[in-house]
Amino acid sequence: KNQVEQSPQSLIILEGKNCTLQCNYTVSPFSNLRWYKQDTGRGPVSLTIMTFSENTKSNGRYTATLDADTKQSSLHITASQLSDSASYICVVSVFGSNYQLIWGAGTKLIIKP
Amino acid sequence: EAGVTQFPSHSVIEKGQTVTLRCDPISGHDNLYWYRRVMGKEIKFLLHFVKESKQDESGMPNNRFLAERTGGTYSTLKVQPAELEDSGVYFCASSFRDRKYEQYFGPGTRLTVT
Repeated sequence: KNQVEQSPQSLIILEGKNCTLQCNYTVSPFSNLRWYKQDTGRGPVSLTIMTFSENTKSNGRYTATLDADTKQSSLHITASQLSDSASYICVVSVFGSNYQLIWGAGTKLIIKP
Repeated sequence: EAGVTQFPSHSVIEKGQTVTLRCDPISGHDNLYWYRRVMGKEIKFLLHFVKESKQDESGMPNNRFLAERTGGTYSTLKVQPAELEDSGVYFCASSFRDRKYEQYFGPGTRLTVT
């Protein structure tokens, strides 16, 4: 069964600190993996997208890694800011499907001053 | 450039009633997708339009849900009759035809069925 699992479910850190969110998937065949940020009351916004051959991608203070062998990904946030408070969702795309996305449940991140 | 818009932002209806959700994609985006997130669960795909044609509606939960995209512009998702388990947030996304992986999401419509 195609599945995406994320950990932790929620995380609270102090402003300025770093954190790492985890994503494990069992999607096959794999096409690509994306990390989305979803602010409360808004739709998801794409942060990074990685294909099979990519193992790291950065977007400002966000760095995503992908290990296609172990089927794991992480999202590292550096020097967190209050505006980073949001849900972070890992999404894996099924190869050969134009649109089928398997969504994780997300990690709710809270940044405290 | 205007993003994906959805209307209404929140709808509260009674079980058995009908509700119609609307999505206006980004201008020029042929692909339009509907997703939903029921309480406590992950987001799930409902269906995909390319212009006015349904590419796949395999994610539609049952025949109480009807999606249309007349003219290939905005889309509507009708739930009739609504059931309690239909409560959740319904997201719409759109993308250019040849950039299907770059989906832009709307803010969602929160549907509450009481």
